Amino acid sequence: AQKVTQAQTEISVVEKEDVTLDCVYETRDTTYYLFWYKQPPSGELVFLIRRNSFDEQNEISGRYSWNFQKSTSSFNFTITASQVVDSAVYFCALSEAGAGGTSYGKLTFGQGTILTVHP
Amino acid sequence: KAGVTQTPRYLIKTRGQQVTLSCSPISGHRSVSWYQQTPGQGLQFLFEYFSETQRNKGNFPGRFSGRQFSNSRSEMNVSTLELGDSALYLCASSPRGPFSYNEQFFGPGTRLTVL
Repeated sequence: AQKVTQAQTEISVVEKEDVTLDCVYETRDTTYYLFWYKQPPSGELVFLIRRNSFDEQNEISGRYSWNFQKSTSSFNFTITASQVVDSAVYFCALSEAGAGGTSYGKLTFGQGTILTVHP
Repeated sequence: KAGVTQTPRYLIKTRGQQVTLSCSPISGHRSVSWYQQTPGQGLQFLFEYFSETQRNKGNFPGRFSGRQFSNSRSEMNVSTLELGDSALYLCASSPRGPFSYNEQFFGPGTRLTVL
């Protein structure tokens, strides 16, 4: 069965520090997608990025960057020069293809990492 | 384009009652998924509907049910409420086809409190 583990429960940093959120996943499917979502205090989950299992190219988008390594089943997320507005709960999630792609609608989430950025 | 809307935003019920939550997806999206979020269990998948058919189901008791209408709007129902059903219920919509992938867009959630 699929599983997502975010070992860091809470992280506290001071503004302008870099911070990396760790995510390790388990799946038997060869086709899957990985995501990061952000949940601010308002509660709504905000989509940040997705990666499919065939694309290990890492990406930088502004202050955000992602490191996807299939060999270690990890999909880590880094915020460079953190800001107070980055304070939120961050979730890593997995979506497997399942039989014929029918399981894509199910996301398996990690437990989340609470990030607090202090001014 | 309007986002995913959920009604009501807050709800208080007592044990034994039943409740119906509503979700309107983004226009054009045909897939709707429901999730339960609690402090203890985190975010858990309830079910997914696509073109009025339940495509996937999570590990929840039969008290949790849902449906999708022809306009893609979805409702979920919880019967015989228990204290443990207190949670934030999130709905997500996706433009995906039946066998393809697209990211899910989440609504603001319905906060259910069971007393």
